[in-house]
Amino acid sequence: GAVVSQHPSRVICKSGTSVKIECRSLDFQATTMFWYRQFPKQSLMLMATSNEGSKATYEQGVEKDKFLINHASLTLSTLTVTSAHPEDSSFYICSARVQDSLEQYFGPGTRLTVT
Amino acid sequence: EDQVTQSPEALRLQEGESSSLNCSYTVSGLRGLFWYRQDPGKGPEFLFTLYSAGEEKEKERLKATLTKKESFLHITAPKPEDSATYLCAVQARGGSNYKLTFGKGTLLTVNP
Repeated sequence: GAVVSQHPSRVICKSGTSVKIECRSLDFQATTMFWYRQFPKQSLMLMATSNEGSKATYEQGVEKDKFLINHASLTLSTLTVTSAHPEDSSFYICSARVQDSLEQYFGPGTRLTVT
Repeated sequence: EDQVTQSPEALRLQEGESSSLNCSYTVSGLRGLFWYRQDPGKGPEFLFTLYSAGEEKEKERLKATLTKKESFLHITAPKPEDSATYLCAVQARGGSNYKLTFGKGTLLTVNP
């Protein structure tokens, strides 16, 4: 149980284009989902918290107009990187909190490369 | 501000050589402390949640303990497949904010 999927696992895009990453909780309902990015050999940096049916809460320094988050249902959240630039290249990971629990389960991550 | 410090940054063990990883934390009221394992290029895998000082949890060769200031992840007779980065995270009490604050992790290498 408690499986989270992400799609795509890898994506390469050209500078200036937008990329959408999907995060799904496969066998549980997730009221809250989180988006992180991770640079090589560093820990996870929280970008934003999304609650189903409401606007995402972004961490300080994260541009909400650049990283659009939608949490349309209890099992799906999406992160859209708009007008991507090479500095947006990173490993993006989502997590989902099990409803009525503190535990969070992570997806396998998406490697974004912007050329 | 919540803070998590993990030590050592890296640890090399021989197969069968038991050891412990440390996670020191500062948080304004602990709601939960979490341990995850992360393999290269993958998302973190949930291991344990600890809620209060004195609590212990075990899973195979791993045992996590918690005090008011730190947590230990004890690895008994490790195997090469236990090689990974181990991440510790805390969640503070208060409101509906369930976000985690992570430490930088301990990179464990177990040699055969």
